[in-house]
Amino acid sequence: AQKVTQAQTEISVVEKEDVTLDCVYETRDTTYYLFWYKQPPSGELVFLIRRNSFDEQNEISGRYSWNFQKSTSSFNFTITASQVVDSAVYFCALSETQSGNTPLVFGKGTRLSVIA
Amino acid sequence: DSGVTQTPKHLITATGQRVTLRCSPRSGDLSVYWYQQSLDQGLQFLIQYYNGEERAKGNILERFSAQQFPDLHSELNLSSLELGDSALYFCASSRRTGNGYNEQFFGPGTRLTVL
Repeated sequence: AQKVTQAQTEISVVEKEDVTLDCVYETRDTTYYLFWYKQPPSGELVFLIRRNSFDEQNEISGRYSWNFQKSTSSFNFTITASQVVDSAVYFCALSETQSGNTPLVFGKGTRLSVIA
Repeated sequence: DSGVTQTPKHLITATGQRVTLRCSPRSGDLSVYWYQQSLDQGLQFLIQYYNGEERAKGNILERFSAQQFPDLHSELNLSSLELGDSALYFCASSRRTGNGYNEQFFGPGTRLTVL
């Protein structure tokens, strides 16, 4: 069965610090997708990134970067030079199919607080 | 704006009552998913419909039911409500994208409070 573990329940950092959110997943499939979503205090789920299991290249988007390592079943998310607006709950998720037309399995989320 | 709409935005009701949450998917999306976000269970999948038919079932209680109508909107019915049913209920919809992956787009959620 698939499972996503976000061991960090809450993280608090001072503005401009770098922070890494950990995500470890379990799946028997060889083809799957991994995601990160952001949930700001307003409550909506904001899609950040999708990565398929065949693409282990790290990705950078502005201050955000993702490190995907199949060998350790991890898909970690780093925010560089954090800002107060980054304060949110971040969810890692897994979809066990190439088509993606199946439900997402979410981790419990990591609540990030960035203090000015 | 994801294009997925959910009504109502907030719902406050009492234990034992029944409520209906509504979801309108993005135009052209055939799949609708319902997820529940509660303090205890986190964000978990409840049920999926594809073009009117139930496609997959998750941790959905027997007191809960859903359906997808011919116009593809979906309703989630929650009955005999308990305090523990208080949660944020998300609807998501999907269709095939150009690269073959069916991206899920989430609605803004309905916050249910059971008193």
